[in-house]
Amino acid sequence: DIQMTQSPSSLSASVGDRVTITCRASQTISSYLNWYQQKPGKAPKLLIYAASNLQSGVPSRFSGSGSGTDFTLTINSLQPEDFATYYCQQTYDTPPDTFGQGTKLDIK
Amino acid sequence: QVQLVESGGGVVQPGRSLRLSCAASGFTFSDYGMHWVRQAPGKGLEWVATISYDGDYKPSADSVKGRFTISRDNSKNTMYLQMNSLRAEDTAVYYCAKDRVEYSSSWSRDYWGQGTLVTVSS
Repeated sequence: DIQMTQSPSSLSASVGDRVTITCRASQTISSYLNWYQQKPGKAPKLLIYAASNLQSGVPSRFSGSGSGTDFTLTINSLQPEDFATYYCQQTYDTPPDTFGQGTKLDIK
Repeated sequence: QVQLVESGGGVVQPGRSLRLSCAASGFTFSDYGMHWVRQAPGKGLEWVATISYDGDYKPSADSVKGRFTISRDNSKNTMYLQMNSLRAEDTAVYYCAKDRVEYSSSWSRDYWGQGTLVTVSS
């Protein structure tokens, strides 16, 4: 199975900041990488699919990039509602698909 | 609008069975693959099982293979997860989720239910 490793595991930031979360795959996954946001007690929400495609309805301050083994999720101008846990997911080699361990973004 | 509503969770003793349901609305259910994903308390996301739009393709995670069975009834717009021989490590919130791409299993999930908690404990 492909292992997904996110960094950092946790991150503190302020409203208005620009933050970047990194996801690394244990082998190449082309662009088969998705990003999800999860708030406490809620279901995950798809933000980015195929590494860089913004899911419908997701604010444009979210963006994704990368291919191969290294990927990033960038949030420009953090808003209060963005404080959550973020997960990457590979869909290159399935089953199984696999998720990163999560990055918890909280308010500084 | 798309809605996915899970039901059937609860507290169950080790070794017993439980069946989860996922009622779908707001889209053509029979055109999309569906998934079960679980999350143990305080932990990350773990794929459990997937079923293709027509029910012909049904892979499951090694951790549940032989114990859990995914199925769907397209006439009822409902997906199921039959869970047998439950273990303490199966304790989690179980989410059903819709595949983003019709007639395919892209494994990206654009809509999720609210989740149903399964607790396996004596």
